[in-house]
Amino acid sequence: DTEVTQTPKHLVMGMTNKKSLKCEQHMGHRAMYWYKQKAKKPPELMFVYSYEKLSINESVPSRFSPECPNSSLLNLHLHALQPEDSALYLCASSQQGLRGNEQFFGPGTRLTVL
Amino acid sequence: GENVEQHPSTLSVQEGDSAVIKCTYSDSASNYFPWYKQELGKRPQLIIDIRSNVGEKKDQRIAVTLNKTAKHFSLHITETQPEDSAVYFCAARTGNQFYFGTGTSLTVIP
Repeated sequence: DTEVTQTPKHLVMGMTNKKSLKCEQHMGHRAMYWYKQKAKKPPELMFVYSYEKLSINESVPSRFSPECPNSSLLNLHLHALQPEDSALYLCASSQQGLRGNEQFFGPGTRLTVL
Repeated sequence: GENVEQHPSTLSVQEGDSAVIKCTYSDSASNYFPWYKQELGKRPQLIIDIRSNVGEKKDQRIAVTLNKTAKHFSLHITETQPEDSAVYFCAARTGNQFYFGTGTSLTVIP
């Protein structure tokens, strides 16, 4: 299985809602990522998990809360979002560190905040 | 940290012509350089990559070159087709972190 899956594909939420994005991979990758992407812009790194521990947090507002329950799953909990948070949220995974291996992207969740 | 610059930001070519996109990076510890193609509303798709111990790699109409000394790498697409139209991103990997260029919007005119 060489695929990263994400659910849901689309999400519309109000500014007071709480929702979660989910990501799963079964390639044995121990590095997992959350990116935010606006149209025609590069993916913007939010969080990196390494061996289920948060290793990088790119100064993301606390209304985004990541969680890595096990080596295959990655969640992003959303609360009190703003309209400017509307974007494509991409999950990715890769093998660890110095081996310089490919990053596999999931299909993304298109998030709209009203 | 790493800084990746990408040029041009937009590129229009006639069908059948070649397209070249260039990237520079700053961190000599970067050791893996992928190129992604992204169509509207879809995920970035890896089209070719190169590791720091290799100078050139080719896959059919797509090639990538790497100059470690100058810290730059380039994507070459030959015999372009309308379906090559998309946004292309270069990236450099240092450790577990991928640093992306700002993207090139390529349009192939039939």
